[in-house]
Amino acid sequence: AQSVTQLDSHVSVSEGTPVLLRCNYSSSYSPSLFWYVQHPNKGLQLLLKYTSAATLVKGINGFEAEFKKSETSFHLTKPSAHMSDAAEYFCVVSEPLGFNKFYFGSGTKLNVKP
Amino acid sequence: DSGVTQTPKHLITATGQRVTLRCSPRSGDLSVYWYQQSLDQGLQFLIQYYNGEERAKGNILERFSAQQFPDLHSELNLSSLELGDSALYFCASSVTTSGGADTQYFGPGTRLTVL
Repeated sequence: AQSVTQLDSHVSVSEGTPVLLRCNYSSSYSPSLFWYVQHPNKGLQLLLKYTSAATLVKGINGFEAEFKKSETSFHLTKPSAHMSDAAEYFCVVSEPLGFNKFYFGSGTKLNVKP
Repeated sequence: DSGVTQTPKHLITATGQRVTLRCSPRSGDLSVYWYQQSLDQGLQFLIQYYNGEERAKGNILERFSAQQFPDLHSELNLSSLELGDSALYFCASSVTTSGGADTQYFGPGTRLTVL
């Protein structure tokens, strides 16, 4: 069965320091993996996606994520946090079987301190 | 801008009433998904339509229904509204190719407040 676990519900970093948001998944097949960001009272914006090409995926706003099959992880990182990065981040997994189904993690709220 | 539009942006109504939320998918996208996001339950998948037909159901209440029209826009109908239905309702769309990688694009949401 598919599942997505975001290991931290809240992460707090100082501006200019690295960001790490953790995501583990379970899948019986080669999944597609996504990270979305949601700013307060806004819709979800696609940050990046992995679809079985390069394991290191670069996204918008300086974010990147690495697909590690052996660890079933897809952690999101950014070298230097900016105040505007404060938002909620969702890890999503999809299995390309017939019509895709999407499985959402419970979200991680990122707080960036000045 | 994702290309997915939702109307209205805000909706305030009373308990017991019925409302309709509308979603227009990105050009070329055949699938529409509806989600409910509330503080206590987080992001919940409600229902998916593909090219006019229901494809998948999530935690959708019997008081809620949806449909997708021939022009591919979708409507989510919420009836006998309760205070607990107050939430952000999101629509997403995707191309949906069978067996292929698909990506969801989200609209800005409709904030429903039930008083």
